[in-house]
Amino acid sequence: DQQVKQNSPSLSVQEGRISILNCDYTNSMFDYFLWYKKYPAEGPTFLISISSIKDKNEDGRFTVFLNKSAKHLSLHIVPSQPGDSAVYFCAASAVDGGSQGNLIFGKGTKLSVKP
Amino acid sequence: EAGVTQSPTHLIKTRGQQATLRCSPISGHTSVYWYQQALGLGLQFLLWYDEGEERNRGNFPPRFSGRQFPNYSSELNVNALELEDSALYLCAGEGGQPSYEQYFGPGTRLTVT
Repeated sequence: DQQVKQNSPSLSVQEGRISILNCDYTNSMFDYFLWYKKYPAEGPTFLISISSIKDKNEDGRFTVFLNKSAKHLSLHIVPSQPGDSAVYFCAASAVDGGSQGNLIFGKGTKLSVKP
Repeated sequence: EAGVTQSPTHLIKTRGQQATLRCSPISGHTSVYWYQQALGLGLQFLLWYDEGEERNRGNFPPRFSGRQFPNYSSELNVNALELEDSALYLCAGEGGQPSYEQYFGPGTRLTVT
């Protein structure tokens, strides 16, 4: 039973346009959400996170939106650049006693940004 | 500041052998998490260590074990290796409040033949 779902395995976007990556979750206990970017044979690189007490968090070209009632979050990248081409993972956790607790990952969306 | 380090980068073992993987988190990070990424699959949670104690483990058999040392580095041991254990093993460190982000190392590629 997948608790974190990324239903689009791939996304192709033109350079300069907006990339929107989506993620759905089922566990209402999740209270912290993160996005990671990953290149093949490398570890995931942290991009941006959001706590469940917020509905938006912005960092440069990256914005994460959280809709708790719909159990949905999205990552917006504006403007998209060819260097953004990678696999993006959505992850969720339930903070446990001061630590984040283990992350539950979606299966990833492969973003291709074409020049 | 040094990032998360993992060793070795690559490890080739034979079925039935044991593998030991090592991880050093960023200085100040006291929690270490281990994840497995098998070919074609997402990242699956393996083990979580905090302050030297195992806090949680994922849905993996007991032949996956580990420990955390007083300097917060960690070791993952996989006994009685099976072919399906071939995967990228990632460790991540986390410093706790107020920032809960986990920072990953480059991974160890384990190949079981």
